Amino acid sequence: QVKLQQSGAELVKPGASVKLSCKTSGYTFSTSYMSWFKQIPGQSIEWIGMIYAGDGGTGYNQKFKGKATLTVDTSSSTAYMDLSSLTTEDSAVYFCASGWGDYWGQGVMVTVSS
Amino acid sequence: DIQMTQSPSVLSASVGDRVTLNCKASQNINKYLNWYQQKLGEAPKLLIYNTNNLQTGIPSRFSGSGSGTDFTLTISSLQPEDFATYFCFQHNSWPYTFGAGTKLELK
Repeated sequence: QVKLQQSGAELVKPGASVKLSCKTSGYTFSTSYMSWFKQIPGQSIEWIGMIYAGDGGTGYNQKFKGKATLTVDTSSSTAYMDLSSLTTEDSAVYFCASGWGDYWGQGVMVTVSS
Repeated sequence: DIQMTQSPSVLSASVGDRVTLNCKASQNINKYLNWYQQKLGEAPKLLIYNTNNLQTGIPSRFSGSGSGTDFTLTISSLQPEDFATYFCFQHNSWPYTFGAGTKLELK
């Protein structure tokens, strides 16, 4: 069955960067899309962007350009999202999801605090 | 950006009720509308994709309809496990956007 396993919770200092991972199984990652989302607990969800694993092509929500960078490693069927220059406003749960949001990872809480 | 407006924001209902949740887009999104269910502390779960297609493994009491700008999610007979928050999501135009959600609570 399709599984997306995300890395563990992160506590990072303001100004730092963090790299989140999303390891997949149960489907053909190398010819698939991966989407990333942000959710502040108790609020709605934002689409950050998506990447095509076949060629690494990306599309971003303008709001997250310069903040998020999406990459993939097809040899390990893993997608990554780098978040840079973190501020308290980046504290949230981040999800990866196959395609346009078919199957989701469990989410990872990123807390930005000094 | 396309604004997605969900109504009502809170819906109180009982087990066995038939309920309808609404989602209105600020412009035409064709058929590219998904519905998700989210429970506290969990990831969203896809219920309906592209307006009216039931995701694999989702019970048939869930159905979706609509086109263009107006969409609905219907649950034909509420079960105890259906009390959760529901989000609509448009993936017709970048940036893709979600509604604010409808919280379905037990009356």
